[in-house]
Amino acid sequence: EDQVTQSPEALRLQEGESSSLNCSYTVSGLRGLFWYRQDPGKGPEFLFTLYSAGEEKEKERLKATLTKKESFLHITAPKPEDSATYLCAVNGGGGNKLTFGTGTQLKVEL
Amino acid sequence: DTEVTQTPKHLVMGMTNKKSLKCEQHMGHRAMYWYKQKAKKPPELMFVYSYEKLSINESVPSRFSPECPNSSLLNLHLHALQPEDSALYLCASSQDGVGGGETQYFGPGTRLLVL
Repeated sequence: EDQVTQSPEALRLQEGESSSLNCSYTVSGLRGLFWYRQDPGKGPEFLFTLYSAGEEKEKERLKATLTKKESFLHITAPKPEDSATYLCAVNGGGGNKLTFGTGTQLKVEL
Repeated sequence: DTEVTQTPKHLVMGMTNKKSLKCEQHMGHRAMYWYKQKAKKPPELMFVYSYEKLSINESVPSRFSPECPNSSLLNLHLHALQPEDSALYLCASSQDGVGGGETQYFGPGTRLLVL
């Protein structure tokens, strides 16, 4: 059974204070690891898909990396508008079913 | 365009009502999904349609009935719901749901309250 653990559960940063979110996973055969951003009461917004260890992807202040056991979402010089819950999900085994972590709630303060 | 639309945005219904949630995508995707999300929890998969056929039913109670009229539309028919069914209902789509590793694009959700 696929498992995803995200840490920390909550993170409070000052504007401009860079940090990283962690997603540890266990899958029988990784087909894809996904990062989403979710604002309260809204649907998850797609950020990145990673497929193999060593892969990295960037978008504005965000950078996602992948190893064989975990993924990191690095946030460089965050702004208050980056405040959201960040969800990590994996697809392993057959089909296209996603297993989600419980998310990291990020708050960036001025 | 990676847009998935859902209607209505909000829905309040009694336990004896029948209502439907609607989802639409125009990305040419052949797989569509229904998820349920409770407050401060991750989305939970309910149903998957691939090429308009139900491919996954995660043992969802029969008071939830999905329907895929064509490759762009997905409905969720609701009947005799319980208050604990109150949640955010999310629709998503992906390429075809067959090979794995596909990115799923989510809609904004329907906030459902059952009284």
